[in-house]
Amino acid sequence: KNQVEQSPQSLIILEGKNCTLQCNYTVSPFSNLRWYKQDTGRGPVSLTIMTFSENTKSNGRYTATLDADTKQSSLHITASQLSDSASYICVVRKDSSYKLIFGSGTRLLVRP
Amino acid sequence: NAGVTQTPKFQVLKTGQSMTLQCAQDMNHEYMSWYRQDPGMGLRLIHYSVGAGITDQGEVPNGYNVSRSTTEDFPLRLLSAAPSQTSVYFCASSNLAGVDTGELFFGEGSRLTVL
Repeated sequence: KNQVEQSPQSLIILEGKNCTLQCNYTVSPFSNLRWYKQDTGRGPVSLTIMTFSENTKSNGRYTATLDADTKQSSLHITASQLSDSASYICVVRKDSSYKLIFGSGTRLLVRP
Repeated sequence: NAGVTQTPKFQVLKTGQSMTLQCAQDMNHEYMSWYRQDPGMGLRLIHYSVGAGITDQGEVPNGYNVSRSTTEDFPLRLLSAAPSQTSVYFCASSNLAGVDTGELFFGEGSRLTVL
């Protein structure tokens, strides 16, 4: 069964601290994996995409990793800011299909 | 800078009523889709379209209808609302190349409550 599991479900950290969010998937065949950020009351917005051949990619304070062998991805946030408070959603696209499989997200709260 | 526009943002219905959620995009995207988001669950695809006159079912299509008469608009119709349809609904669009990379542009969402 094609699934995307994210952990933890929720996370609270202090401003300035780092954190890592996890995404495990069983989607096959795999095409790519994308991380989205969803602010409260808004629609998701893409942060970064990881393809099969990529191991690490950075977008400012966000660094995504992908291990296609173990089917795991992580999103590392460095020096967190209050504006990082949001839900982070992992989405995997199945190859040769329009089908996207969404994880249920990790809700991050950054406290001052 | 409109992007994907959804209306209404909030709606309360009684069981059995019908209504239409509107979605419009100004990016000339071929692909448009409707998702519902429920607590503790990932976004689930209701219906999608790859161009005017072409629609197809997603994983949870029952109780919903769509049509695509223009490239810009993709309304979602609830035929006879049920409490199980209480959810937040998102419209998303992309060009077909963007779909290949899984990049969707989402609207702000429509929160629907069915009593």
